Amino acid sequence: EDKVVQSPLSLVVHEGDTVTLNCSYEVTNFRSLLWYKQEKKAPTFLFMLTSSGIEKKSGRLSSILDKKELSSILNITATQTGDSAIYLCAVEPISSNDYKLSFGAGTTVTVRA
Amino acid sequence: EAGVTQFPSHSVIEKGQTVTLRCDPISGHDNLYWYRRVMGKEIKFLLHFVKESKQDESGMPNNRFLAERTGGTYSTLKVQPAELEDSGVYFCASSQERVGQGLRTNEKLFFGSGTQLSVL
Repeated sequence: EDKVVQSPLSLVVHEGDTVTLNCSYEVTNFRSLLWYKQEKKAPTFLFMLTSSGIEKKSGRLSSILDKKELSSILNITATQTGDSAIYLCAVEPISSNDYKLSFGAGTTVTVRA
Repeated sequence: EAGVTQFPSHSVIEKGQTVTLRCDPISGHDNLYWYRRVMGKEIKFLLHFVKESKQDESGMPNNRFLAERTGGTYSTLKVQPAELEDSGVYFCASSQERVGQGLRTNEKLFFGSGTQLSVL
């Protein structure tokens, strides 16, 4: 069974701090790794990573995949209170049903003013 | 563009009762998924529809769960009879991609806000 482990489970930072979230995975026939942000409601898409070593950026958020280490990190710089959320990592396999995402438990980030 | 909508947002029922959750995917999305997150655990895949057909229901926990998607539009997920361990958040998601192509780089799986189910 595919496995996704996120760390830490939770963290509390102050505005302006930098946060690094980790995701490691074990999946048969890896296709991509995805990051989602979940505030009160629906998980919203952040990044999709398919190639090792290529950083994806969106504003203060960035993410990179290391296929050799079977892991990914998500960085948030100059954190704001609006970054408080659960950050979910998921992997997508190559299979006959390639939308069967496997999720990690998530990292709860709390940003204090 | 309207997103994926789910109803109800919350449901509190007693053990043994029946509950039906509804999901309206984004218009035109053939692929519809149900996922759930039980307390303290990861979000887990339940099943996948392509239009009105069940593509994969390997994640359905047991035969107390029944999903339908009549006409290939909205979907319902019925739990009958509900048990305590069914409590959690049930998410629906939809996508336009064709099965076998994977999620394209710039395309995404769109999630609904979920239904929080509490079985007492």
